[in-house]
Amino acid sequence: QVQLVQSGAEVKKPGASVKISCKASGYTFTRYYMYWVRQAPGQGLEWMGLINPTDGRRNYAQKFQGRVTMTSDTSTSTVYMEVTSLRSEDTAVYYCARSLGSHLPHDYWGQGTLVTVS
Amino acid sequence: DIVMTQSPDSLAVSLGERATINCESSHSVLYTSNNKNYLAWYQQKPGQPPKLLISWASSRESGVPDRFSGSGSGTDFTLTISSLQAEDVAVYYCQQYSSPPFTFGPGTKLDIK
Repeated sequence: QVQLVQSGAEVKKPGASVKISCKASGYTFTRYYMYWVRQAPGQGLEWMGLINPTDGRRNYAQKFQGRVTMTSDTSTSTVYMEVTSLRSEDTAVYYCARSLGSHLPHDYWGQGTLVTVS
Repeated sequence: DIVMTQSPDSLAVSLGERATINCESSHSVLYTSNNKNYLAWYQQKPGQPPKLLISWASSRESGVPDRFSGSGSGTDFTLTISSLQAEDVAVYYCQQYSSPPFTFGPGTKLDIK
């Protein structure tokens, strides 16, 4: 069955960086785009960007340009997202989610990774 | 960026009754080339990731109960739950995937009256 398993919770100080992983299984990794979405405590969903694991092509929301880097490792079916210059407003649950293409909804989601900046 | 709005912010409906949630986009999400609306609905329960319910504005995902239905086109969309069940208590989000960033609505919290 399809699974997206994310790395564990992190606590970081302001100004630090965090790198979250999302390991995919149960499907052909390179057939699907991977997206990152975050959710601050008690708030809604915020779309951060996408990566095509096949060619590494990325599209970041403008808000996160320069602070977010998404990468993929096809040998381990894992995508990563690094967020730099963390501030308290980055405290959130970060989700990875897959889609069959670049303009398609997200049919499977990871369990989420809580990043606390304090 | 396309801005998504939802109404109401929250609603409470009696078990077995109909629940209706509205979603509006600031720009049309209808692609005239294929006549498809790039609009999805998700359900999120506490402590869980979102679950995709409906894509292309009205296409129910496999395994989603048929009491859930989506309608609308262009900029105005509706999610309807025909007969509310206890397990439907959740926050519901719409999302446009026509133009990056694929923005979400702010969510509608659905409770039992």
